[in-house]
Amino acid sequence: KNQVEQSPQSLIILEGKNCTLQCNYTVSPFSNLRWYKQDTGRGPVSLTIMTFSENTKSNGRYTATLDADTKQSSLHITASQLSDSASYICVVTSNSNSGYALNFGKGTSLLVTP
Amino acid sequence: NAGVTQTPKFRVLKTGQSMTLLCAQDMNHEYMYWYRQDPGMGLRLIHYSVGEGTTAKGEVPDGYNVSRLKKQNFLLGLESAAPSQTSVYFCASSYYLRDRGYNSKNIQYFGAGTRLSVL
Repeated sequence: KNQVEQSPQSLIILEGKNCTLQCNYTVSPFSNLRWYKQDTGRGPVSLTIMTFSENTKSNGRYTATLDADTKQSSLHITASQLSDSASYICVVTSNSNSGYALNFGKGTSLLVTP
Repeated sequence: NAGVTQTPKFRVLKTGQSMTLLCAQDMNHEYMYWYRQDPGMGLRLIHYSVGEGTTAKGEVPDGYNVSRLKKQNFLLGLESAAPSQTSVYFCASSYYLRDRGYNSKNIQYFGAGTRLSVL
């Protein structure tokens, strides 16, 4: 069964500190991996998309890594800001004969405090 | 360019009532999706559409119906609402889902959500 596991479930850090969120998946066949940021009460917003051949992708202070061999991804946030407080969702797309499917993790809730 | 617009934003229903949630996108996207998001469950795909006139079941389709009569609109219907359908519903759209790398055509854009309570 395709699964996407995210850790930690929640995280509290001080403003200005760095943090890393983890995503492990068992999705097959793999097509791409996406990270979304979801502010409270809002819809998710895409941060990065990585395909099989990409090891790292940056979007400002957000850097995502992908190890397709171990089926792990991480999202690193540098110099955190209060506005980074949100839920971060890892999504792995699979591509099979029956079509494309999106497999969602349950998200990591990040709180950045002053 | 409004992106993805969902209406209504909030709704309270009584058990057994019916309603339709409307999703509209002005980006000429081929793919549209309906999700529900529940605490501790993450986003789950209800139904999706890969083009005008086509729909397909997602992970949790029971109790819902959808229609894509126009490319820009994707309707989600609840024929007989149940308390288990209390949730936040998100619509999304994209050009593709394929692994063509990071480009604007591969991104899913989400609406702001509809909070539905069924009493």
